[in-house]
Amino acid sequence: NAGVTQTPKFRVLKTGQSMTLLCAQDMNHEYMYWYRQDPGMGLRLIHYSVGEGTTAKGEVPDGYNVSRLKKQNFLLGLESAAPSQTSVYFCASSSGTQLNTEAFFGQGTRLTVV
Amino acid sequence: RKEVEQDPGPFNVPEGATVAFNCTYSNSASQSFFWYRQDCRKEPKLLMSVYSSGNEDGRFTAQLNRASQYISLLIRDSKLSDSATYLCVVSGSARQLTFGSGTQLTVLP
Repeated sequence: NAGVTQTPKFRVLKTGQSMTLLCAQDMNHEYMYWYRQDPGMGLRLIHYSVGEGTTAKGEVPDGYNVSRLKKQNFLLGLESAAPSQTSVYFCASSSGTQLNTEAFFGQGTRLTVV
Repeated sequence: RKEVEQDPGPFNVPEGATVAFNCTYSNSASQSFFWYRQDCRKEPKLLMSVYSSGNEDGRFTAQLNRASQYISLLIRDSKLSDSATYLCVVSGSARQLTFGSGTQLTVLP
């Protein structure tokens, strides 16, 4: 029962370094999302995808890029990390076929940029 | 103004109490409504969807008022295991979820 798997789970980056967060889902879901969660801010949508090969910007896309080359994978890239990107990142997926479709979340990636 | 606003909390209640959370949303085009639960340092998980007619799942009752753009969650007979952060969530046409900041609940023995 893998569901949604995020790698890595923890990472410390130096300012200016780059990295890619990987999200993989085994539920054949069309929709995938990247959120960040900061204290007192709730979850904010960074980018999302409604199907293989498509991506769209969310509420806070600046400083991030994404790719959805395969249906099961959604990658989040930080080209030049900044301390403001210190956060917990959650990936989610849903089938999107019905209005009240449940979204399933990965366990999160805790990123610290120093 | 935030798109989804929740009671700031925190709520500290004794076991067995009834507690209610409220939420308002600003986008009248929102199509789906949910309550998610998040335990400390864990991922959010769906607690229940919210329908216009109101719906109940055991001790949990959710209500939606589209005219007032208001969502509520009522928890009866609180258990220690109900301690968590409750997230009000709305969804648009692209199924992207917009989250409130969450309300922290602690149920005390």
